[in-house]
Amino acid sequence: SYELTQPPAVSVSPGQTASITCSGEKLGYKFACWYQQKPGQSPVLVVSQNNKRPSGIPERFSGSNSGNAATLTISGTQAMDEADYYCQTWDSGTVVFGGGTKLTVL
Amino acid sequence: QVMLVQSGAEVKKPGASVKVSCKASGYIFSNYDVASGRTMSSYDINWVRQAPGQGLEWMGWMNSNSGNTAYAQKFQGRVTMTRDTSIRTAYMELSSLRSDDTAVYYCARVPPAGIGFDYWGQGTLVTVSS
Repeated sequence: SYELTQPPAVSVSPGQTASITCSGEKLGYKFACWYQQKPGQSPVLVVSQNNKRPSGIPERFSGSNSGNAATLTISGTQAMDEADYYCQTWDSGTVVFGGGTKLTVL
Repeated sequence: QVMLVQSGAEVKKPGASVKVSCKASGYIFSNYDVASGRTMSSYDINWVRQAPGQGLEWMGWMNSNSGNTAYAQKFQGRVTMTRDTSIRTAYMELSSLRSDDTAVYYCARVPPAGIGFDYWGQGTLVTVSS
């Protein structure tokens, strides 16, 4: 079955750029999406179709996808961005989530 | 605005079944014309669960119009997804519950073409305990 691999944790200083990668075989040929989840809340879609920001998502969130990896980039990271982030794609009619990355802003 | 409102928390004993509901509002849930076989909109309702302290786990999807379903292999034979278009509600039933089914269960709307899970319900905690 298809797998997506994310680093368990990433840390970043306020105002700096955070990058979270998501690896999967030929992921660049599929759509990748990213979700933010804060404690006790439902996930929120922050990047759609590899690199599109849904309405209401700040411009500092961006995405890319090529080769075997997708990347979520948060520019000018703020304390409010501290959360778990999940990548997601589709493979053979099924949905696959990455294991999640805890982003710490310190 | 689009909202998905789920039913409340459940406590079940091992071996029992649980049925979680997900009521949709703010968009066209089902607009399938039987006579012509055409649809005006097409959204899937997906179900995702999250065990305590763990990541997101996809369970399956159901098309709101046709009722067609696809389930993750892990849940085949134990999960059933249905809908009642008259009350704009989707359901997920999980049977033969075990302690490791204890989790928050989410419904989420998915438009076509790789847009992703754009709206999520608030989650329903299902606790399986003897």
